[in-house]
Amino acid sequence: AQSVSQHNHHVILSEAASLELGCNYSYGGTVNLFWYVQYPGQHLQLLLKYFSGDPLVKGIKGFEAEFIKSKFSFNLRKPSVQWSDTAEYFCAVNPRGAGGFKTIFGAGTRLFVKA
Amino acid sequence: NAGVMQNPRHLVRRRGQEARLRCSPMKGHSHVYWYRQLPEEGLKFMVYLQKENIIDESGMPKERFSAEFPKEGPSILRIQQVVRGDSAAYFCASSPPESRGETQYFGPGTRLLVL
Repeated sequence: AQSVSQHNHHVILSEAASLELGCNYSYGGTVNLFWYVQYPGQHLQLLLKYFSGDPLVKGIKGFEAEFIKSKFSFNLRKPSVQWSDTAEYFCAVNPRGAGGFKTIFGAGTRLFVKA
Repeated sequence: NAGVMQNPRHLVRRRGQEARLRCSPMKGHSHVYWYRQLPEEGLKFMVYLQKENIIDESGMPKERFSAEFPKEGPSILRIQQVVRGDSAAYFCASSPPESRGETQYFGPGTRLLVL
């Protein structure tokens, strides 16, 4: 069965620290990949997505993610976090072709940034 | 440009009552998806609808749950005879007609609490 695994459920960082959130998926075919963010009390927002092309994807608010096909990974990075990055981050996978609308989400990583 | 709207944002029901959750997609979007998020878990796909059609309901529990997306008006997720295990956040997403669901825009969610 297809699944998405996020390595850390909770991460605590100080401001200006670098961030890397791990994401691995299990699916043998071609996929679209996403990172979503959910700020406290708000709805899910798309941070970035990968469909094809350059495996290093730039998103909003200084976030980027790298697709490594051989590792089935799509890790999220940010060089220097801010207090306002405190939120929950979800990695998601959308298998191409039939059933491509069934976006599969990881369990989420809660990031807390200390001011 | 209003995003995906969901109401109510919070819903409290006693066991055995009915819950009706509403979702108005973004303007011009004709595809609607419902997801459920249980505590400490990621979003799980429930159902995919287009206007007046259920395309895929493979994620819906077999009993008590139903969904519709009429020609006019919002999409409705209906839960009959709610039980405590139905307590969760229910998210709706929409995508435009030309999409196969690759990029979905999420609403703020409805948080259902069953007492």
